[in-house]
Amino acid sequence: DSGVTQTPKHLITATGQRVTLRCSPRSGDLSVYWYQQSLDQGLQFLIQYYNGEERAKGNILERFSAQQFPDLHSELNLSSLELGDSALYFCASSLTGGVTDTQYFGPGTRLTVL
Amino acid sequence: AQTVTQSQPEMSVQEAETVTLSCTYDTSESDYYLFWYKQPPSRQMILVIRQEAYKQQNATENRFSVNFQKAAKSFSLKISDSQLGDAAMYFCAYASPYSGAGSYQLTFGKGTKLSVIP
Repeated sequence: DSGVTQTPKHLITATGQRVTLRCSPRSGDLSVYWYQQSLDQGLQFLIQYYNGEERAKGNILERFSAQQFPDLHSELNLSSLELGDSALYFCASSLTGGVTDTQYFGPGTRLTVL
Repeated sequence: AQTVTQSQPEMSVQEAETVTLSCTYDTSESDYYLFWYKQPPSRQMILVIRQEAYKQQNATENRFSVNFQKAAKSFSLKISDSQLGDAAMYFCAYASPYSGAGSYQLTFGKGTKLSVIP
């Protein structure tokens, strides 16, 4: 158990809908990362937050948005869902967000878009 | 942009034997960090080992060790005395210290599925 929690574990929804994925970092970690794992694209970095502020952005679609709240939990919002958004979404956390940190991954949320 | 290539989609090893997983990467940076992550059937991503490029000594963690060849841009993972619990997807990853202050992102390879034969 990494100490990173993600809810829900599974999510099934329809095209065009909007969903919110939630992540709670390990106790004491200030930085949160989101990754998408799909069969065709592999594991891709989406976005990083540190203490409520966006720090780095990867291949995140405009239909997706994220934020980190004052209690340090983070949410990833996915809207206007398409079939291709079906994937495993991971949250990771680290202490300071710097490259000398280790990123600890949560168990992931499996999103299925029908 | 950095890229990470794992040329072996699948590998198998006999229990108690040794196996080496390959990884190559492409970068123009002189300083960077390399990682091997394990993803068992539970889907949890688990850090196995990390290597800082400025360190010449190869990293080791118990039965896991790496062969880091900076000039060749190669970063292979050796698993000794393979155990059934080692069966998993293994991902090689790269991180740059130049992404910006207090930020970094992992760039992953496509992964190698390791099977351990009893």
